[in-house]
Amino acid sequence: ILNVEQSPQSLHVQEGDSTNFTCSFPSSNFYALHWYRWETAKSPEALFVMTLNGDEKKKGRISATLNTKEGYSYLYIKGSQPEDSATYLCASQYNFNKFYFGSGTKLNVKP
Amino acid sequence: EAQVTQNPRYLITVTGKKLTVTCSQNMNHEYMSWYRQDPGLGLRQIYYSMNVEVTDKGDVPEGYKVSRKEKRNFPLILESPSPNQTSLYFCASLGTLYNEQYFGPGTRLTVT
Repeated sequence: ILNVEQSPQSLHVQEGDSTNFTCSFPSSNFYALHWYRWETAKSPEALFVMTLNGDEKKKGRISATLNTKEGYSYLYIKGSQPEDSATYLCASQYNFNKFYFGSGTKLNVKP
Repeated sequence: EAQVTQNPRYLITVTGKKLTVTCSQNMNHEYMSWYRQDPGLGLRQIYYSMNVEVTDKGDVPEGYKVSRKEKRNFPLILESPSPNQTSLYFCASLGTLYNEQYFGPGTRLTVT
C-alpha cells in the first residue's frame, strides 16, 4: 500500500483569500496525478489529471502543478469563493490500474 | 448524459446476509473500479477491472467479490457481510482519452 499524503487536513479562509494545498506521493512507477473536488453528499468530480513533470493545469481560478521527481503536487485557488467550499482529494495512479488516494483537504470559505 | 449509476444508494443489512451493489456506466469505458471510503482515510481500492472478464484485487479485497460479464456493468458482491464492511462505497469508470475517472453517486452500507 502506497502512502499519499495531503496537507493541510482542513483550511478555513475568508472570501477573496487565495489558498493552496499539497499532495505528496511516492514517485516509483508513477503514471498520473489526479485532483478531485468532493462536495458533501455528492461524488468526487475530476478537476485535473497530470502526467508529466512540470505539468501545469488551470480551470478558472483553480490551478495545479506537478513535480514527479520529488513526488508532490500543489493545488491553488485564487480569490476563494464560498462555492469553493469542498473537500479536495488527490490520487496518485500507478501502472495505469492502481489508484491511491490522500485523505483530502477540507476547505471552508467564509463569506 | 455520461454517468455512472449505483444501486442501492442506501442499504442497512445484517451480518451474513449476501448482498450485491450494482454499478453501471454508459460511456463504453473499459476500466472500472470499486472503492470504499471510511472516516479519516482516503478512498481505498477494493477491486478493479481492465475489461470484460478481467478483474484484479486492489488494496482491500478481503470479503468482496466482483464480476465483469458485460462492459457496462461491474457489480460488487458481499457474500457474508460483516460490521467492518460498514462504509461508503463508490464505483468509478476511467476514460482512456483524458484518463479522467468518473464516480457513481455512492452507496452507504450499514451492516449490523
